[in-house]
Amino acid sequence: EPEVTQTPSHQVTQMGQEVILRCVPISNHLYFYWYRQILGQKVEFLVSFYNNEISEKSEIFDDQFSVERPDGSNFTLKIRSTKLEDSAMYFCASSEERDRGREQFFGPGTRLTVL
Amino acid sequence: AQSVTQPDIHITVSEGASLELRCNYSYGATPYLFWYVQSPGQGLQLLLKYFSGDTLVQGIKGFEAEFKRSQSSFNLRKPSVHWSDAAEYFCAVDLLTDKLIFGTGTRLQVFP
Repeated sequence: EPEVTQTPSHQVTQMGQEVILRCVPISNHLYFYWYRQILGQKVEFLVSFYNNEISEKSEIFDDQFSVERPDGSNFTLKIRSTKLEDSAMYFCASSEERDRGREQFFGPGTRLTVL
Repeated sequence: AQSVTQPDIHITVSEGASLELRCNYSYGATPYLFWYVQSPGQGLQLLLKYFSGDTLVQGIKGFEAEFKRSQSSFNLRKPSVHWSDAAEYFCAVDLLTDKLIFGTGTRLQVFP
């Protein structure tokens, strides 16, 4: 069964460093998302991406964040200068269509720890 | 304010007992409703979803959920819980924007 994959599973970085989280969405999906979950808190939407551009972003997704689909398979989230409060689990998701109530398929997540 | 509420942070049940996890939403219109499950170290897996029509929806792993418009609720149920059901359960809504809005989750613990 097709699935969303994410690498690495755990990333440890120093505050101020840049990190890139990688995702491979399901191959025929067209819509891509990043969510994050700070420990003990709910899953929060960060950004959605379609047709090589951001379609919606939350207030969390400030200038320190960027997303890219560098090739036909990967979807990346970059944090330019990490802060302690960026420590969280980051989930990538993809969906086939943008129709009403479309299902988003989630990857296993990348746990980011900022020291 | 618009929100999704899961009032139970942690629920403990015995294996074989019935289960109901609560979810309430606060939106003007009826959103599309989902229940996801997250096992330790795993991603979020869709259990079931409600779009319209029959208000009782069946999902995977023996779960079902009932949409009650009058109560703005979408509670998840299972008649007999198995030890493998221990996980975190998230209710989510889709307001026809490009995002899911999640509740805070309910952690289910199952005792043998």
